Amino acid sequence: EVQLLESGGNLVQSGGSLRLSCDSSGFTFTSYAMTWVRQAPGQGLEWVSTISGSGGNTDHADSVKGRFTVSRDSSKNTLYLQMNNLRAGDTAVYYCSKHRDRSGYSPLDYWGLGTLVTVSS
Amino acid sequence: DIQMTQSPPSLSASVGDRVTMTCRASQGISDYLAWYQQKPGRVPKLLIYAASTLQSGVPSRFSGRGSGTDFTLTISSLQPEDVATYYCQKYNSAPWTFGQGTKVEIK
Repeated sequence: EVQLLESGGNLVQSGGSLRLSCDSSGFTFTSYAMTWVRQAPGQGLEWVSTISGSGGNTDHADSVKGRFTVSRDSSKNTLYLQMNNLRAGDTAVYYCSKHRDRSGYSPLDYWGLGTLVTVSS
Repeated sequence: DIQMTQSPPSLSASVGDRVTMTCRASQGISDYLAWYQQKPGRVPKLLIYAASTLQSGVPSRFSGRGSGTDFTLTISSLQPEDVATYYCQKYNSAPWTFGQGTKVEIK
């Protein structure tokens, strides 16, 4: 059974940093691209970052480019999102999700429960 | 960047009604289109991918159509458990943009 468990969400001041983690199990971690999606309170889904199965290719939304970095550790089956220079607009639930295949050119077939990041100004 | 526009933003229908919602891409995306269902307070769930392929375990009353720029999601007979917000997402290239969602309620 595929399981994705996010952690690391917290209350942080504007300009601060956080690192989110997503512990994955139930599938061959290196065979699938992974993505972070966020959802601000009462708002829709926003794609944040994607990393290929090998970790060699990454993409970030313009809204986080230069501030957020996605990475993965295949020895720990863990996905990360390093978030620097946080702003109030980054306040959201952050979901870890798995793609249906190795590249990002596939839909998101499993999602974690999410972790809440709150940025205070 | 390609924009994804969903309509209507919300709809209200009776149990048993046929419900259709639309997702439009600002440029062609072939069939690289997925639909997700997010029930209140719950995690998003993949319903349809490749524009028309039903994800395993999804009831057959859900169906998707379209290619290029215009896509639809149809619920053939609305059930109370279908109350949710439905999002489309493109995945032909980055950014993997979501639509703003269509909220479905029971009349």
